[in-house]
Amino acid sequence: GAGVSQSPSNKVTEKGKDVELRCDPISGHTALYWYRQSLGQGLEFLIYFQGNSAPDKSGLPSDRFSAERTGGSVSTLTIQRTQQEDSAVYLCASSHSAGGIYEQYFGPGTRLTVT
Amino acid sequence: KNEVEQSPQNLTAQEGEFITINCSYSVGISALHWLQQHPGGGIVSLFMLSSGKKKHGRLIATINIQEKHSSLHITASHPRDSAVYICAVSGETSGSRLTFGEGTQLTVNP
Repeated sequence: GAGVSQSPSNKVTEKGKDVELRCDPISGHTALYWYRQSLGQGLEFLIYFQGNSAPDKSGLPSDRFSAERTGGSVSTLTIQRTQQEDSAVYLCASSHSAGGIYEQYFGPGTRLTVT
Repeated sequence: KNEVEQSPQNLTAQEGEFITINCSYSVGISALHWLQQHPGGGIVSLFMLSSGKKKHGRLIATINIQEKHSSLHITASHPRDSAVYICAVSGETSGSRLTFGEGTQLTVNP
């Protein structure tokens, strides 16, 4: 079946512009996670959803970052007034549920470059 | 100090060699994950374990909960095993979100 998909695969934007990154999880997966991988650094957690609710937003680096999930499926990560330090690969993952420990399936990522 | 530490950071091996990558963590965990990231960025889950040992093909993962340590072994390594291997944990108090190690860059030469 189809895996996790993300769009766009690459995004170049000017400093100060807003961007939206999209994630389509595996069908039936109720848990959805956003992570970020900055150049030369490890992966870091941003936010996760169980259904349409976000029980843990603790990884969002500033109030310029927000995310939503609708219909228990697609999620959008929005970064307002982008800064150069936002440049990174943004990864989405989904799993069967967040209530329990399940394998996470990762999307291919969106590479964001802020110029 | 990071909650998840991996060693070595970089590893170069000759085809056929037995490889070990180590992971230590400092928090209580629900599960430990080993992930593989190939050039181009795609991440694949290799193992998820909370005790004992798991084997899949030439890959073996072990975990010692008391010592807060896990190892990933690759037997009969092959150039196609070249990738970044990442250890990650689901903390007891942080739910299912993952906390990651810095990764180990493995290069297997023919």
